[in-house]
Amino acid sequence: GAGVSQSPSNKVTEKGKDVELRCDPISGHTALYWYRQSLGQGLEFLIYFQGNSAPDKSGLPSDRFSAERTGGSVSTLTIQRTQQEDSAVYLCASSPWDSYTGELFFGEGSRLTVL
Amino acid sequence: QQQVKQSPQSLIVQKGGIPIINCAYENTAFDYFPWYQQFPGKGPALLIAIRPDVSEKKEGRFTISFNKSAKQFSLHIMDSQPGDSATYFCAASTQGAQKLVFGQGTRLTINP
Repeated sequence: GAGVSQSPSNKVTEKGKDVELRCDPISGHTALYWYRQSLGQGLEFLIYFQGNSAPDKSGLPSDRFSAERTGGSVSTLTIQRTQQEDSAVYLCASSPWDSYTGELFFGEGSRLTVL
Repeated sequence: QQQVKQSPQSLIVQKGGIPIINCAYENTAFDYFPWYQQFPGKGPALLIAIRPDVSEKKEGRFTISFNKSAKQFSLHIMDSQPGDSATYFCAASTQGAQKLVFGQGTRLTINP
């Protein structure tokens, strides 16, 4: 299909290890977003990309979290020195618009478990 | 002030009933209020959205009611079906903002 694709779908790692989560947005969508979904916590905004630039990184919880987007397409979210509280589902979404007043198209998420 | 508070956390309704999910916000600059529906193992998907210039919007069995003075909005599902069982999220944003703020979610179960 032509939806947002995320990989891996599941990742189990040990505390202290680094992880990379990948997002392939819908072709032609210029805006890309990362959210984190923890049990009972709703959807927490992490970062937003317009093209390759990230005008809003305010949601990244600590400097262990970083993200990049290359070629205006694929994005990678990196978590360094993972902690147990990083365990969550990381959702990526894309949109053809440059504001939140349009529909966001979400992937199925990457479930991260830190032991 | 950026929060959107959603209630209840979980809701169980019999088939044919009308579940109601409520959201409240503080930021009067919010001008776009979508609802997203999420099935287990899937990402959220846009269900219906409203802007504050109208008090109600209907799409099929789904209705958003909006009360600007009270800074509240709600989702009603008419003639609910077991297939409507999912987690529902309200959200809000401002024109030109790059930050859609979500509520905590409501896990809805429709019993046959």
